[in-house]
Amino acid sequence: AQSVTQPDIHITVSEGASLELRCNYSYGATPYLFWYVQSPGQGLQLLLKYFSGDTLVQGIKGFEAEFKRSQSSFNLRKPSVHWSDAAEYFCAVGNSGNTPLVFGKGTRLSVIA
Amino acid sequence: GAVVSQHPSWVICKSGTSVKIECRSLDFQATTMFWYRQFPKQSLMLMATSNEGSKATYEQGVEKDKFLINHASLTLSTLTVTSAHPEDSSFYICSAPKGISEKLFFGSGTQLSVL
Repeated sequence: AQSVTQPDIHITVSEGASLELRCNYSYGATPYLFWYVQSPGQGLQLLLKYFSGDTLVQGIKGFEAEFKRSQSSFNLRKPSVHWSDAAEYFCAVGNSGNTPLVFGKGTRLSVIA
Repeated sequence: GAVVSQHPSWVICKSGTSVKIECRSLDFQATTMFWYRQFPKQSLMLMATSNEGSKATYEQGVEKDKFLINHASLTLSTLTVTSAHPEDSSFYICSAPKGISEKLFFGSGTQLSVL
């Protein structure tokens, strides 16, 4: 069965500092991997996705993620965090881009001045 | 870009009443709609998959008589929480794939509070 683990429940970073959110997945084949961001009481916004090809994918808002098959990881990074990045971040895995996704439990990001 | 419109965004109801949540695909035909539920500080959990013109498929542990799903047209899927109770209070969100674009579009979610 597919599963996603986000080890960090809550992370606090200073504005301008770099960020890395961890995501590990369990999946039998090549997974479709996603990162979503959710602001309080809001829906989900897709940051980026990986289907195949270049293992370093660029997303919106300056985010990037790297797929590492050997580590079953798909960590999200941003070189310089802005206060507006404070939100909940979800990593997800699926069979394809249009089948239901399995989500991790999320990582809450707080940004301090 | 493609949009999935979800209404209402927020609803408060009395225990025992029913609440209907609608998801509409605004500029594409959604033959499939996925319904998720998210409890506070928890992840999104798939509840059911609705398919236009056929019965919905429910995930294990989800009561189909309580969470009625209708997908009567290619642009509208509804989730009705029947005889709602406080434990049904949650954030409900839908998503639909757009054809073979390999991309899911999410609604903005509905926060249900049952008193």
